[in-house]
Amino acid sequence: DTAVSQTPKYLVTQMGNDKSIKCEQNLGHDTMYWYKQDSKKFLKIMFSYNNKELIINETVPNRFSPKSPDKAHLNLHINSLELGDSAVYFCASSRGAGNQPQHFGDGTRLSIL
Amino acid sequence: GQSLEQPSEVTAVEGAIVQINCTYQTSGFYGLSWYQQHDGGAPTFLSYNGLDGLEETGRFSSFLSRSDSYGYLLLQELQMKDSASYFCAVTQDDKIIFGKGTRLHILP
Repeated sequence: DTAVSQTPKYLVTQMGNDKSIKCEQNLGHDTMYWYKQDSKKFLKIMFSYNNKELIINETVPNRFSPKSPDKAHLNLHINSLELGDSAVYFCASSRGAGNQPQHFGDGTRLSIL
Repeated sequence: GQSLEQPSEVTAVEGAIVQINCTYQTSGFYGLSWYQQHDGGAPTFLSYNGLDGLEETGRFSSFLSRSDSYGYLLLQELQMKDSASYFCAVTQDDKIIFGKGTRLHILP
């Protein structure tokens, strides 16, 4: 019954590897997001999709590529992982963009060795 | 550009009232939201103010003054479980920009 679920919960990998994080929401929301939260707890938006269409792409290295196969799923692929990519990545969804409450997944804790 | 300012830490006593302030500078402002995040957990939505004034939800209230670019979150009858980080967030066009969070410590 989880509203926004993302996998895996933990990801430990070496520098230079490629990894993916998956996200699914069963709330029927139109808009999905990826956020990065660093060690200082700063929560920064990376991408937003509305009905499978990219609407927000913040200044993120092109090693990060989101993919939305349908409006219930938004995956994040990261190429050539770097030490600075270590963070918690949160997926979220909302009924629409902008002022609608966002529902967050439990986060994926990515550690780069 | 945009910026949000909120205190990094606040300490209060169980049963008391605490106010967490947030000031912002942004263009295309639509409203101010508040989120709570416990250690190791996900942010959860608390409240949204699109218009000036006070919104109350149980022990939590949130206030917005658009003319002052200022808002606050008021927590009453503090409980130990309220120990968490609280983020103000502005809605700018189609996206939400989060502040850096206020860590609330509650003393017994």
